[in-house]
Amino acid sequence: DTEVTQTPKHLVMGMTNKKSLKCEQHMGHRAMYWYKQKAKKPPELMFVYSYEKLSINESVPSRFSPECPNSSLLNLHLHALQPEDSALYLCASSHGTGEGNYGYTFGSGTRLTVV
Amino acid sequence: KNQVEQSPQSLIILEGKNCTLQCNYTVSPFSNLRWYKQDTGRGPVSLTIMTFSENTKSNGRYTATLDADTKQSSLHITASQLSDSASYICVVTFPTSGTYKYIFGTGTRLKVLA
Repeated sequence: DTEVTQTPKHLVMGMTNKKSLKCEQHMGHRAMYWYKQKAKKPPELMFVYSYEKLSINESVPSRFSPECPNSSLLNLHLHALQPEDSALYLCASSHGTGEGNYGYTFGSGTRLTVV
Repeated sequence: KNQVEQSPQSLIILEGKNCTLQCNYTVSPFSNLRWYKQDTGRGPVSLTIMTFSENTKSNGRYTATLDADTKQSSLHITASQLSDSASYICVVTFPTSGTYKYIFGTGTRLKVLA
């Protein structure tokens, strides 16, 4: 298995809803990432998990809450989002954050729309 | 400041033609440079990765070059196909504080017309 699987592919939620994005990989990668990408812009790093521990939080608002239940799973819990949070949310994984010569494997993303 | 700039911002070519995309970076120190292809609404897919000592790397019709002295890279697409229509993103990796950080370029949007 050489893929990163993200679910759902599309999500529409109201500003008072609570929802979760899920990401799964079975490549034995020990680093996992959440990125946010607005249209026609490059991905922006949100969170990095290394060996199931949060190692980087790029000053993301608390309405986004990441969780790494085990080495294969990464969740992003969403609560009280704003319309400007609408974007493509990408999950990625790599062998490790200390092994820069390995590439990311990206998931296909979740297209989130906040209404 | 560590930056990655890509040009052109967008490009339209006819099917079967060749094209070259550019990536210039100011990142230092440098670990490696990757080119990704991203279809609209999808996640980026890796095309090539090059370290400091590599000058060229091919993946089918895609050939990437790297000049670490001038801090420039290019991605050449040969005999373009309609399916090459996508955004192409250059990502530079650099070591910092015992880990690695990744800087994404703004991308080049390529449209291949029949």
